Amino acid sequence: GQQVMQIPQYQHVQEGEDFTTYCNSSTTLSNIQWYKQRPGGHPVFLIQLVKSGEVKKQKRLTFQFGEAKKNSSLHITATQTTDVGTYFCAGLPNDYKLSFGAGTTVTVRA
Amino acid sequence: DVKVTQSSRYLVKRTGEKVFLECVQDMDHENMFWYRQDPGLGLRLIYFSYDVKMKEKGDIPEGYSVSREKKERFSLILESASTNQTSMYLCASREGGAFGANVLTFGAGSRLTVL
Repeated sequence: GQQVMQIPQYQHVQEGEDFTTYCNSSTTLSNIQWYKQRPGGHPVFLIQLVKSGEVKKQKRLTFQFGEAKKNSSLHITATQTTDVGTYFCAGLPNDYKLSFGAGTTVTVRA
Repeated sequence: DVKVTQSSRYLVKRTGEKVFLECVQDMDHENMFWYRQDPGLGLRLIYFSYDVKMKEKGDIPEGYSVSREKKERFSLILESASTNQTSMYLCASREGGAFGANVLTFGAGSRLTVL
């Protein structure tokens, strides 16, 4: 079964507002990756986090890996219409298969 | 840039037909994967291959088989298509080495409808 849970499944955001999507695992992860899939497109790699407590930023996107390496978050500030899409986290448990979350689908109200 | 090409973007097949989904990558990646994507379920791993002629079952292998005769090509086979196999199928590749250390590059996807 799916080892990585992602919430919320849907996020409707007013343009200019901030939001956060969360990723939780029942097991410790070696690393976590985030992907973005635009409507009609395919998942594209955004970032990878490896270290406990790691925080990385890409412009308005802030990614965090929890201290226990069991959870991660993606925070987007000042949401724009270009942020529309589905964001997936993918964690690597103790085996070698990436486990994807179900994704958070983001829509933006202009 | 790595390019992962899936041969068919859209397919419509009938129940019981044999279906081949082809995937080719051009960057000499060792690992290749087949996922299916369904609303609310995210990406679920069907099969993966870490080398030529090597394959391992993912989380949902039932009803599927795969073939990797050449490094660049990874095929997904539905021996007898069923309606519950209607889905988006995504192929991905990754460099070898430490598993999980490298990112996945996805193809554009193949949307299969089984009638």
